[in-house]
Amino acid sequence: GAVVSQHPSWVICKSGTSVKIECRSLDFQATTMFWYRQFPKQSLMLMATSNEGSKATYEQGVEKDKFLINHASLTLSTLTVTSAHPEDSSFYICSALRTGGDTGELFFGEGSRLTVL
Amino acid sequence: GEDVEQSLFLSVREGDSSVINCTYTDSSSTYLYWYKQEPGAGLQLLTYIFSNMDMKQDQRLTVLLNKKDKHLSLRIADTQTGDSAIYFCAEMGAGNNRKLIWGLGTSLAVNP
Repeated sequence: GAVVSQHPSWVICKSGTSVKIECRSLDFQATTMFWYRQFPKQSLMLMATSNEGSKATYEQGVEKDKFLINHASLTLSTLTVTSAHPEDSSFYICSALRTGGDTGELFFGEGSRLTVL
Repeated sequence: GEDVEQSLFLSVREGDSSVINCTYTDSSSTYLYWYKQEPGAGLQLLTYIFSNMDMKQDQRLTVLLNKKDKHLSLRIADTQTGDSAIYFCAEMGAGNNRKLIWGLGTSLAVNP
């Protein structure tokens, strides 16, 4: 089946530093990828929609200068948490929508756990 | 706005069938999904159904969709302890942004 890989799976960083999380579709192309944030025992919160070759669309309340998204190719989207603070600690999950196939096929990465000290 | 609701907790005995229910409000839904999340892990796509279908079966999983009542269910036959997880229901609207609206998840506990 289709695989979406996230890297790193777990990162710990100091407050004030920036962290980049990668989301790759390994065996399919994805024009559209999504970035979510999940707090403990809660559902997913959509942060932004990433479209290859264009600017990301951010959900209301999500700071685009804080969470930089780059969708440079049909298989890679990156989320950079800039000047991270402890309140940014969370589980970040990406998903990728398969291009050209059944348009309902939306696959998720394993998630990246960010802990900001 | 659009909403998806699910019961928060379900407990079954090993070997029984589990039925997880979900209701949604978006009448223009195109696809409806069931995802499984094990503790500390990401989301696994279990199955999805297109809105013009009533039923989809995949091995132990059966999805029923009642579009009139906007009700979706996931039945897991012969539930095993490895099925213990949180199950999320999500729907995709008809818009071009392919955004999913999520339920809060149903925590399934399977008792030996």
